[in-house]
Amino acid sequence: GAVVSQHPSWVICKSGTSVKIECRSLDFQATTMFWYRQFPKQSLMLMATSNEGSKATYEQGVEKDKFLINHASLTLSTLTVTSAHPEDSSFYICSATKANPSGGVRETQYFGPGTRLLVL
Amino acid sequence: AQKITQTQPGMFVQEKEAVTLDCTYDTSDPSYGLFWYKQPSSGEMIFLIYQGSYDQQNATEGRYSLNFQKARKSANLVISASQLGDSAMYFCAMREDRGNNRLAFGKGNQVVVIP
Repeated sequence: GAVVSQHPSWVICKSGTSVKIECRSLDFQATTMFWYRQFPKQSLMLMATSNEGSKATYEQGVEKDKFLINHASLTLSTLTVTSAHPEDSSFYICSATKANPSGGVRETQYFGPGTRLLVL
Repeated sequence: AQKITQTQPGMFVQEKEAVTLDCTYDTSDPSYGLFWYKQPSSGEMIFLIYQGSYDQQNATEGRYSLNFQKARKSANLVISASQLGDSAMYFCAMREDRGNNRLAFGKGNQVVVIP
């Protein structure tokens, strides 16, 4: 199997607070995890690529000081939305690829169930 | 430039009928992979099927098959014998070998299966 969990599944917070979202691979080790954001009725937009033990690589236009990513182990990556504002309200979803892949482009990304963030 | 194009409007499909979802892609990388994911209203992304650029045969997974036309750069998903549970958004995605394992997603196709 390849199960990815996310916690929390939803969160409501006040403007100005920070919110931490966890992404865990439950039955495999993941050297790489990805964080996406999805607005209603839109596609997934990649925010950053997280590699275990190194700094995350952020996509153009994503503020790294706003969205802090930590990938401390082969099974856990966290995304912290710092000083959240209403415009940060979105669906955040992570994915993971297995360590020691068989090679090349065949490696499938397995997605977590997502976290719905509402900033008031 | 958009790498994955899904332009069909929302689709209504009769239960038990087949439906084809269009996907075209753009890449100069000779090695790439194409994926289809299903996203029901709950939000989770469910992996359906994969097609590699060097695969000789079209991929099939149960009721899902991929009509891969490399020269036309299309990778259409065919769902046979539609079920009510197939109602969801469907996303086509591509990963290029030179793309550091990143997936580029299309805008998705909304499918509603009616009894």
